[in-house]
Amino acid sequence: DTEVTQTPKHLVMGMTNKKSLKCEQHMGHRAMYWYKQKAKKPPELMFVYSYEKLSINESVPSRFSPECPNSSLLNLHLHALQPEDSALYLCASSQAESLAGGYTFGSGTRLTVV
Amino acid sequence: GEDVEQSLFLSVREGDSSVINCTYTDSSSTYLYWYKQEPGAGLQLLTYIFSNMDMKQDQRLTVLLNKKDKHLSLRIADTQTGDSAIYFCADNQGGKLIFGQGTELSVKP
Repeated sequence: DTEVTQTPKHLVMGMTNKKSLKCEQHMGHRAMYWYKQKAKKPPELMFVYSYEKLSINESVPSRFSPECPNSSLLNLHLHALQPEDSALYLCASSQAESLAGGYTFGSGTRLTVV
Repeated sequence: GEDVEQSLFLSVREGDSSVINCTYTDSSSTYLYWYKQEPGAGLQLLTYIFSNMDMKQDQRLTVLLNKKDKHLSLRIADTQTGDSAIYFCADNQGGKLIFGQGTELSVKP
């Protein structure tokens, strides 16, 4: 298995809703990442997990809450989002944080906040 | 933070070569990457180059690295309409993959 799987592919949520994005990989990668991408813009790093521990939080608002239950799973819990949070949310994984081979990205969850 | 810069658009004819350029500022970069993103999709790693190399070739793709000028390029030979996408160069900086703005490649038949 050489893929990163993200669910759901599309999500529409209201500003008072609570939802979660899920990411799964079975490549034995020990670093996992959340990125946010607006249309025609580069992905922006949100969080890095290394060996299931949060190692980087890029000053992301607390309405985004990451969780890494085990080495294969990464969640992003969403609560009280704003319309400007609408974006493509990408999960990625790599063998380690600073290693060759780059990151493997999932196809993303397209989030719309109404 | 350190910057990675690219030109925003490139238009070529089918069958021509495409050259996408990127400049970076982090002199400690060890790996540099090229990713492709098709509309509505995630990012696909095309190739990467280690900083002690100056060229890497993989089928239709050629990566050139000028470490002195901190300049990276991606050449796509015999460009096809299926190559139309946004191409991002990226730099691994201390555990973070930092992307350029992306170059939108348009291939006209």
